[in-house]
Amino acid sequence: NAGVTQTPKFRVLKTGQSMTLLCAQDMNHEYMYWYRQDPGMGLRLIHYSVGEGTTAKGEVPDGYNVSRLKKQNFLLGLESAAPSQTSVYFCASSGLPRGIQPGGLEQYFGPGTRLTVT
Amino acid sequence: GENVEQHPSTLSVQEGDSAVIKCTYSDSASNYFPWYKQELGKGPQLIIDIRSNVGEKKDQRIAVTLNKTAKHFSLHITETQPEDSAVYFCAARSSPYNQGGKLIFGQGTELSVKP
Repeated sequence: NAGVTQTPKFRVLKTGQSMTLLCAQDMNHEYMYWYRQDPGMGLRLIHYSVGEGTTAKGEVPDGYNVSRLKKQNFLLGLESAAPSQTSVYFCASSGLPRGIQPGGLEQYFGPGTRLTVT
Repeated sequence: GENVEQHPSTLSVQEGDSAVIKCTYSDSASNYFPWYKQELGKGPQLIIDIRSNVGEKKDQRIAVTLNKTAKHFSLHITETQPEDSAVYFCAARSSPYNQGGKLIFGQGTELSVKP
């Protein structure tokens, strides 16, 4: 199993350009997440999805859109990139709870995409 | 909403010493607290987690303790080794597991273990 993969690994954009980040998982997980990581701020949730065809906003959704047309893929779009969106972006996925406990829902992370907006 | 504070932001220890990282959370309804390790150039990876009905959990050289009354939890690494050098993140689950199980992360601690 490849786990969670992200494409591309690196990207440089000019202000105003658009791009799409692709996340794919092969673990048949229901839940998928997009985070951004900035120095001193930890990981902040951008958007998430609890199943195919559904998405919801996280802590910092402004300037981003997402789509989950297939269960294994979660796309993050930047319609008009800004320098404030320079960051490392991580995708994660998790499965349904184990058993009937309020389970851990371990999140498995991809390797990240380093995006620079000039 | 939930807020997680993590301290210290950097920690340097000698090989063989212990390291302790502390986190506090604000939402008393949070019931799941994972710790992630992030090595340079990689995504975070779960190393240990604890649920709110447990006070302490150990896995070899790492342990996590939870004080629900004070709303804080800590990661303890004993007999540190150079390969423990990484950034560590604590997190608290802010929504029920059947609503996405969203995690709120602390700011991270950069641990350096000197040989």
